[in-house]
Amino acid sequence: SAVISQKPSRDICQRGTSLTIQCQVDSQVTMMFWYRQQPGQSLTLIATANQGSEATYESGFVIDKFPISRPNLTFSTLTVSNMSPEDSSIYLCSVGRPNTEAFFGQGTRLTVV
Amino acid sequence: AQSVTQLGSHVSVSEGALVLLRCNYSSSVPPYLFWYVQYPNQGLQLLLKYTSAATLVKGINGFEAEFKKSETSFHLTKPSAHMSDAAEYFCAVRKNSGGSNYKLTFGKGTLLTVNP
Repeated sequence: SAVISQKPSRDICQRGTSLTIQCQVDSQVTMMFWYRQQPGQSLTLIATANQGSEATYESGFVIDKFPISRPNLTFSTLTVSNMSPEDSSIYLCSVGRPNTEAFFGQGTRLTVV
Repeated sequence: AQSVTQLGSHVSVSEGALVLLRCNYSSSVPPYLFWYVQYPNQGLQLLLKYTSAATLVKGINGFEAEFKKSETSFHLTKPSAHMSDAAEYFCAVRKNSGGSNYKLTFGKGTLLTVNP
């Protein structure tokens, strides 16, 4: 298993500002992912955070809006840039290993006002 | 590409009654299938997983699911609902193939309400 710590757990931010979310894992993992869960919706993959290279973004998500860092095998950050109320969501960090399930952090509950 | 369909966005049962949450998947390759539960204001917790071994999978909290390839289904069941089972349940699929594609595709979720 893997224990994932996300910070902050929640935040209320002004529109036009940026928020950086941190994800720390208790062991080295190959794959780290960032998901968004909009109110009342399912999870949508934003990007795969690759260690030592640029993140791989899913359709509809771009690096300018959601820059991601992955400096080592246990840590990643997601920044939500130039926020608008539509960015109000839960953002979840996830890790995966071969032939096992994905593990999730507790999520960051973001409200943009 | 994979996809997941969860039938019923909201299921309501009485305490002690059978819980049945439906999940159908589409995958071009043999899949791994998962059920996750999300309690209010919390992250996702794995209930159970199918990874091409036994087709009847037992999970935590008395839940189980059966993989039926012919029906492309992976329905979640529990014989007797408890009040503490009230939560959102997500079915998810990912490729069971070589390489490093561990991305999950989630269904829209089913909110389970348990009535006293």
